[in-house]
Amino acid sequence: ELKVEQNPLFLSMQEGKNYTIYCNYSTTSDRLYWYRQDPGKSLESLFVLLSNGAVKQEGRLMASLDTKARLSTLHITAAVHDLSATYFCAVDWGQGAQKLVFGQGTRLTINP
Amino acid sequence: EAGVAQSPRYKIIEKRQSVAFWCNPISGHATLYWYQQILGQGPKLLIQFQNNGVVDDSQLPKDRFSAERLKGVDSTLKIQPAKLEDSAVYLCASSTQDWIDTQYFGPGTRLTVL
Repeated sequence: ELKVEQNPLFLSMQEGKNYTIYCNYSTTSDRLYWYRQDPGKSLESLFVLLSNGAVKQEGRLMASLDTKARLSTLHITAAVHDLSATYFCAVDWGQGAQKLVFGQGTRLTINP
Repeated sequence: EAGVAQSPRYKIIEKRQSVAFWCNPISGHATLYWYQQILGQGPKLLIQFQNNGVVDDSQLPKDRFSAERLKGVDSTLKIQPAKLEDSAVYLCASSTQDWIDTQYFGPGTRLTVL
């Protein structure tokens, strides 16, 4: 059974600081997705990582994938309040059809 | 482009009652997913359709949950009878037939079972 673990689960940080969220998974996969969820809202796609060494960047967020280490990171640069949300990674273990297993989520709070 | 639509947005029922949720995916999306998200957790896949056929329903509690996708477009998820532990947000998502495409999520239905 595929297990996906995120850490930290809760993160409170100051504006302007940098931090990294980690996503570890237990079974070989080279497809990983990051989503954002605002309180009371649905999930919004952030990044799709499809191969070992993949790196994607959007604004202050950068995601990377190391399939050999079964690890993905979401790095936040110079955080701003608008990035406060819960971030989920999801690993696809399907063959020919997408089957996502989500991590528990990291609740990020950015304080002014 | 219109997003994934779900209704109702909120539902409160007593245990042992039945409830149904409706989902309309993004036009042209062949794949439709239903997830259960319990408070404080990540979404858990319940069932996946490709057009109007079931691809995966291994985590659907079939003694009480059922789902169908009419004509490969809209879908309904039903719970009968509901239990207290069914309280959760039920999310519908859709994607294209390209199996690496990201999933697009609807706003969800928040179910409270009393």
